[in-house]
Amino acid sequence: DGGITQSPKYLFRKEGQNVTLSCEQNLNHDAMYWYRQDPGQGLRLIYYSQIVNDFQKGDIAEGYSVSREKKESFPLTVTSAQKNPTAFYLCASSPGLDHNEQYFGPGTRLTVT
Amino acid sequence: GENVGLHLPTLSVQEGDNSIINCAYSNSASDYFIWYKQESGKGPQFIIDIRSNMDKRQGQRVTVLLNKTVKHLSLQIAATQPGDSAVYFCAENLRSNDYKLSFGAGTTVTVRA
Repeated sequence: DGGITQSPKYLFRKEGQNVTLSCEQNLNHDAMYWYRQDPGQGLRLIYYSQIVNDFQKGDIAEGYSVSREKKESFPLTVTSAQKNPTAFYLCASSPGLDHNEQYFGPGTRLTVT
Repeated sequence: GENVGLHLPTLSVQEGDNSIINCAYSNSASDYFIWYKQESGKGPQFIIDIRSNMDKRQGQRVTVLLNKTVKHLSLQIAATQPGDSAVYFCAENLRSNDYKLSFGAGTTVTVRA
């Protein structure tokens, strides 16, 4: 059963705590991405990684951090520096530069109170 | 930033009719476009893509049209079904050597029985 998995589906945290969202893919895709989606809005790119051990900031990277130690995994940490962390977080992957269709996971809804 | 946008935020369609969802983009250098469907609480699902060297591409019950002259992209859904109710996003790849996609805000399609 191939695809992208994100866990957990719902996550609750207290303000001031860091939290890490999981993203795993078994599609053998080179590139992986993290997006944030707020109610009624489109997707905004947080970070992306074209290859293992390399990643770049997207449009809204402040308050977030990532790592890409394995091809299959691209975890996102939402730090206490992120001022409005409550959102729906989506992970995606794509085969590579010549095939840039991105495939998305089911998402994690993070609520910080 | 927002380089793509949809003409209308909502679209109501009678079941069985054809749907047309429009998208305008501003970057004439964009060479790749994708349509996604997102159901409530889920990740976006890839529908169809098109490269800038084409003006039309057909899938199962869907057709994407690209008019580079006026920088316009549309998604046509034939014989719309209740399961087509969702938010539809267009996305563009701004540069051929870049993995990033830029997403529009989305059009909410509601199918009336």
